[in-house]
Amino acid sequence: ETGVTQSPTHLIKTRGQQVTLRCSSQSGHNTVSWYQQALGQGPQFIFQYYREEENGRGNFPPRFSGLQFPNYSSELNVNALELDDSALYLCASSRASTGYEQYFGPGTRLTVT
Amino acid sequence: DAKTTQPNSMESNEEEPVHLPCNHSTISGTDYIHWYRQLPSQGPEYVIHGLTSNVNNRMASLAIAEDRKSSTLILHRATLRDAAVYYCILRPHQTGANNLFFGTGTRLTVIP
Repeated sequence: ETGVTQSPTHLIKTRGQQVTLRCSSQSGHNTVSWYQQALGQGPQFIFQYYREEENGRGNFPPRFSGLQFPNYSSELNVNALELDDSALYLCASSRASTGYEQYFGPGTRLTVT
Repeated sequence: DAKTTQPNSMESNEEEPVHLPCNHSTISGTDYIHWYRQLPSQGPEYVIHGLTSNVNNRMASLAIAEDRKSSTLILHRATLRDAAVYYCILRPHQTGANNLFFGTGTRLTVIP
């Protein structure tokens, strides 16, 4: 158990809809990163938030957006869902001052039909 | 981002040592070598990291080649719980920029 929690565990949405996924970081961690993991692939970096600001972004379109709150929890929002967005979405928290270890949550399984 | 190359899969007998190789020929001088593993139905889990010298912790050892173009993760006695996908990742040493770029990793099967 890493202390990073994600909700919901599973979610089914229809193409074109919007979805919000939530993450609570481990106590004392001020950096949150989001990853998308398709079946059989390694996680792909979406973006990172540090002190409530986006601090790096991977190769994902603008319909993937996020927020970080003052308590360092975070949301991932995906608009205009596509079938290819079906994946496991992982969040990871870390201390930006060291950053050597990222602590991952169990993920949210999103299915788009 | 510098890439790593790992075998797709490996097998090991329970209670025997396992050596998981990783090639990273384009590594830069400031890249740290990180290893994570992902057990079935879980998020990835940090295992170990290093820069130039070999490293040991309670989970594993990391052996880094002198030219840093390759490294090996060593599990000293494989258990069934070690069955997972192991990812070798290069991470630039930049404050705050601690995002990770995963490849497809090595799937380790442990045979009882």
